[in-house]
Amino acid sequence: DGGITQSPKYLFRKEGQNVTLSCEQNLNHDAMYWYRQDPGQGLRLIYYSQIVNDFQKGDIAEGYSVSREKKESFPLTVTSAQKNPTAFYLCASTSDRIVGGNYGYTFGSGTRLTVV
Amino acid sequence: EDQVTQSPEALRLQEGESSSLNCSYTVSGLRGLFWYRQDPGKGPEFLFTLYSAGEEKEKERLKATLTKKESFLHITAPKPEDSATYLCAVHKSNDYKLSFGAGTTVTVRA
Repeated sequence: DGGITQSPKYLFRKEGQNVTLSCEQNLNHDAMYWYRQDPGQGLRLIYYSQIVNDFQKGDIAEGYSVSREKKESFPLTVTSAQKNPTAFYLCASTSDRIVGGNYGYTFGSGTRLTVV
Repeated sequence: EDQVTQSPEALRLQEGESSSLNCSYTVSGLRGLFWYRQDPGKGPEFLFTLYSAGEEKEKERLKATLTKKESFLHITAPKPEDSATYLCAVHKSNDYKLSFGAGTTVTVRA
């Protein structure tokens, strides 16, 4: 079945450490997104990519980095510069580069990152 | 500034007690409004897309409606399995993303 796979499901980061969250999709979607979800807040966009080898900053990109070397993959690195990284991270994709269509996004199952 | 506001933040219902969730938005050039369901620890699942004022869509016990300023998600005779967080998101013309509200957490007691 087609979908988005995020791994790991749970991740623990020590102070000063960089960690990478994986996002893989087999939907043949062009656009991919990373969102951060915190309790009581709406999903906030970190980075997005509309095509391979191109990506753009979202609303809260500081302390994060991404790459898009393959259409199927959009990994997110949380760097030590991100001072409050504890959150639930969601990867999403859509076939429409300007997003929308009938279904909006397809989401992965998320990665919960905790600083220890 | 574009805003998406959902109310209430939390809703506790008795099984069979119908209610409505609200999503108010202020965006220019709305292209679509989306409703998602999110279970704890999981990614959101698509429910509905609404495109124009007056449009309605239904799925089982859920019905979504849209006006020029807000959308409602009506839950008719809810069951405990309807317990979840319901997210509203808007997409405006020529934008690259969806903008989300904070969600309404619904708890249905048997």
